[in-house]
Amino acid sequence: KNEVEQSPQNLTAQEGEFITINCSYSVGISALHWLQQHPGGGIVSLFMLSSGKKKHGRLIATINIQEKHSSLHITASHPRDSAVYICAVLYNNNDMRFGAGTRLTVKP
Amino acid sequence: DSGVTQTPKHLITATGQRVTLRCSPRSGDLSVYWYQQSLDQGLQFLIQYYNGEERAKGNILERFSAQQFPDLHSELNLSSLELGDSALYFCASSGGLARNGELFFGEGSRLTVL
Repeated sequence: KNEVEQSPQNLTAQEGEFITINCSYSVGISALHWLQQHPGGGIVSLFMLSSGKKKHGRLIATINIQEKHSSLHITASHPRDSAVYICAVLYNNNDMRFGAGTRLTVKP
Repeated sequence: DSGVTQTPKHLITATGQRVTLRCSPRSGDLSVYWYQQSLDQGLQFLIQYYNGEERAKGNILERFSAQQFPDLHSELNLSSLELGDSALYFCASSGGLARNGELFFGEGSRLTVL
């Protein structure tokens, strides 16, 4: 069992739909990252959270430390949002573990 | 452009060989991280350096080693290569000790071991 569980594994949406990707982890963490990886392979950091909520454009990330759960929301999804979204948790000893990723496809 | 430079972008070699991957962090970033991404195991954290010193170790094999030089660039050395070492190797940098520090990723080095 992965220490970091993401759901769903795959997600197909129509352009304009609201999207939610979930991430759960099992032990206390220092911070959580949401990463985006496009088909070309490059990785971009979207958010780093240790509490609460952050928003950047159409992207919103939330974290509930007590419930060990984070969500990434995409409002008004667009085909260019198609990518793999990866949750990564940072432990206090600076070790980092990754979820398996959620493959998002947004159709026009 | 993240500002993190990795070389080489692609590398093909044979089993048993040794390779060195290089990473130049963003200007001013003191922390460098190495990650491996393979098809079967996904992304895995290998090792972190901060200002020349090792700060954290993840799933790094004994055949692998890394260092960070005074100019803050880092090298990941992979030796006695096996077929299973074929993967994308990413480097990332951040400005501090990694706690609550945004990560900036390089484009990766794709290693193929034949």
